Amino acid sequence: QVQLRESGPGLVKPSETLSLTCAVSGVSIRSYYWSWIRQSPGKGLEWLGYIYYSVTTNYNPSLRGRLSLSVDTSKNHVSLRLNSVTTADTATYYCAREAYGENWLDPWGQGTLVTVSS
Amino acid sequence: DIQMTQSPSSLSASVGDRVTITCRASLNIQNYLNWCQQKPGKAPELLIHRASSLHSGVPSRFSGSGSGTDFTLTISSLQPEDFATYYCQQSFSLPYTFGQGTRVELK
Repeated sequence: QVQLRESGPGLVKPSETLSLTCAVSGVSIRSYYWSWIRQSPGKGLEWLGYIYYSVTTNYNPSLRGRLSLSVDTSKNHVSLRLNSVTTADTATYYCAREAYGENWLDPWGQGTLVTVSS
Repeated sequence: DIQMTQSPSSLSASVGDRVTITCRASLNIQNYLNWCQQKPGKAPELLIHRASSLHSGVPSRFSGSGSGTDFTLTISSLQPEDFATYYCQQSFSLPYTFGQGTRVELK
């Protein structure tokens, strides 16, 4: 059974870098696309980007180049780094799997809440 | 970006009711439309993919239809565990985008 678990600091200061990890179990991260999505009360669900085995990345232009995704195959996890954060980046962050050619997100991790505040 | 518009934003219904939620895309997305369900404090879960394909393990009272720009999610007989928020999501082009959600509440 595939399980995803996000983790990271719950509080980040404005202008700093938000770093999160998605630990994947039950499947190799080499074989799938891994998306990050966030949810805030003001903006609903927002797809941030995906990564495929360090070969392909695609980022939402709305993040204006602040996002970087990477994979660590030795740990079977996917990482997110979002720099120059503001209070607008306060949200619950989810990772989710997408199989090649399937074009849907399943499963999702349980999410991790990140608050940007000084 | 493709804009996804759901209606209604919320609805009140009773157990056993038939519920219909609509989703409209700002351009033709063929059948690249997914529906997910989110319960309070939980992550979204996939219900339907490619507009009408029921995801594994999802009860048959859920169904989806539509293509192009107009799509529908139907719950044929609402059950207590179905009170949740439902989102449509297009996967036709990047960036993926979601509807604003439809909250289904107990009447």
